[in-house]
Amino acid sequence: TQLLEQSPQFLSIQEGENLTVYCNSSSVFSSLQWYRQEPGEGPVLLVTVVTGGEVKKLKRLTFQFGDARKDSSLHITAAQPGDTGLYLCAGQTSYDKVIFGPGTSLSVIP
Amino acid sequence: EADIYQTPRYLVIGTGKKITLECSQTMGHDKMYWYQQDPGMELHLIHYSYGVNSTEKGDLSSESTVSRIRTEHFPLTLESARPSHTSQYLCASMRGLSGYTFGSGTRLTVV
Repeated sequence: TQLLEQSPQFLSIQEGENLTVYCNSSSVFSSLQWYRQEPGEGPVLLVTVVTGGEVKKLKRLTFQFGDARKDSSLHITAAQPGDTGLYLCAGQTSYDKVIFGPGTSLSVIP
Repeated sequence: EADIYQTPRYLVIGTGKKITLECSQTMGHDKMYWYQQDPGMELHLIHYSYGVNSTEKGDLSSESTVSRIRTEHFPLTLESARPSHTSQYLCASMRGLSGYTFGSGTRLTVV
């Protein structure tokens, strides 16, 4: 069974702090996606990483794909209350198989 | 502006009722999916389709059924709703390896 683990499960920080969340697996992925989901809404795609070692930046968010394409991290600089939400990673193992992690619930306190 | 639409957004129904959750997308994506998610929890794949007249069951056992008669439409039907079906149902579509586009979801409560 292929599994994706995310850590931490919950994170509560003050506005302006930095944070990193992790997504780990023993499986190799052809690509990995990060989503943010707000309560009562569907997840929204933030980024897709494809190449081992790849780093992508989206404003204050930095995404990194591990060299072996088994893990990924999301770093947020100077977190804002608008960053609050559930962050989900999803690994794509083949053309038609996507595995979601359990998510990291982030709360940014003003 | 959403490219994938789910209706209704909220639904409260009695046990034993038959219901259909609607999902439509305007992007021409061949692949469409239904996920079930309890609040703040992980997503579980219940059905997917690679195109017209193609439907498959996902990883999570489900008493629901789906159909794909048109590319843009992928409805999910529960023949006899039970309280254990109470959850959020998310529809998504995808082109290639580009990642999912999700709808806003239907929050179903069976009483």
